[in-house]
Amino acid sequence: NAGVTQTPKFQVLKTGQSMTLQCAQDMNHEYMSWYRQDPGMGLRLIHYSVGAGITDQGEVPNGYNVSRSTTEDFPLRLLSAAPSQTSVYFCASIPTEQMNAEAFFGQGTRLTVV
Amino acid sequence: GDSVTQMEGPVTLSEEAFLTINCTYTATGYPSLFWYVQYPGEGLQLLLKATKADDKGSNKGFEATYRKETTSFHLEKGSVQVSDSAVYFCALSEGQGAQKLVFGQGTRLTINP
Repeated sequence: NAGVTQTPKFQVLKTGQSMTLQCAQDMNHEYMSWYRQDPGMGLRLIHYSVGAGITDQGEVPNGYNVSRSTTEDFPLRLLSAAPSQTSVYFCASIPTEQMNAEAFFGQGTRLTVV
Repeated sequence: GDSVTQMEGPVTLSEEAFLTINCTYTATGYPSLFWYVQYPGEGLQLLLKATKADDKGSNKGFEATYRKETTSFHLEKGSVQVSDSAVYFCALSEGQGAQKLVFGQGTRLTINP
C-alpha cells in the first residue's frame, strides 16, 4: 500500500517563484488536509477538502491555493514564494468525517525559500 | 478557539526510564484526543486515541487517559526504549471532523542506551 505520497521530498525556491507540492492517496479517502510544521509551533492547518470539488481554508491559508479535481489528488500551490513559507509541509488523508478518525500522513516536503 | 499545549522539550531519558509527556487542551465541546508520533525522516502516525472522558488509549506500551476534569491527556510509558526516540504530538479534533486537527507544538524525545 502506497498510502499518502508527497512529491518532491525537498525543494529550494527563490523568493517570488511559484511551485506546486503534490499529494496523492490511494485509499479512496474523501477528506484531505495540508499542514505546515514549524519549530516550536506544531502543525498548522493550511487548507482542507471534504471531497472532490470542495475545498476550504484552515488556520494559515494566505499565500497558498488548493484544488481537488479528483478524490486521489490534492495539490498545494505557492503562488509567489516568500522566506516565511520555509517549512515542512505534510499532506494527510482521513477516511471519514468522524472526529475520532485516524489521519494518514505523507512523509513531508521540506521547502526552503531563499 | 481550540488549542493544545504540550510540555516543553526536548526530553532526554535513559533506556528503561519512566516517561511522562504532559498535554492539556482547551475546547468548547467534547473533542477526540490523539497522540501522533513522528520518527526521524517520516510523516506522523497515530500512536493512540481516546474519544470520551475517562477513556484510556494504549499502544506499544504507551498509555494516555482522557481527563475531562483537568482537560488533560498525558502520555506515559513505564519503560522506554531507544526505538521510542521521536517527536510526539498531542492533538484534538472537534465536531468539524478529523480533517481539522489542532496540534500541540510537539515534544522531542531522545532515549540514550
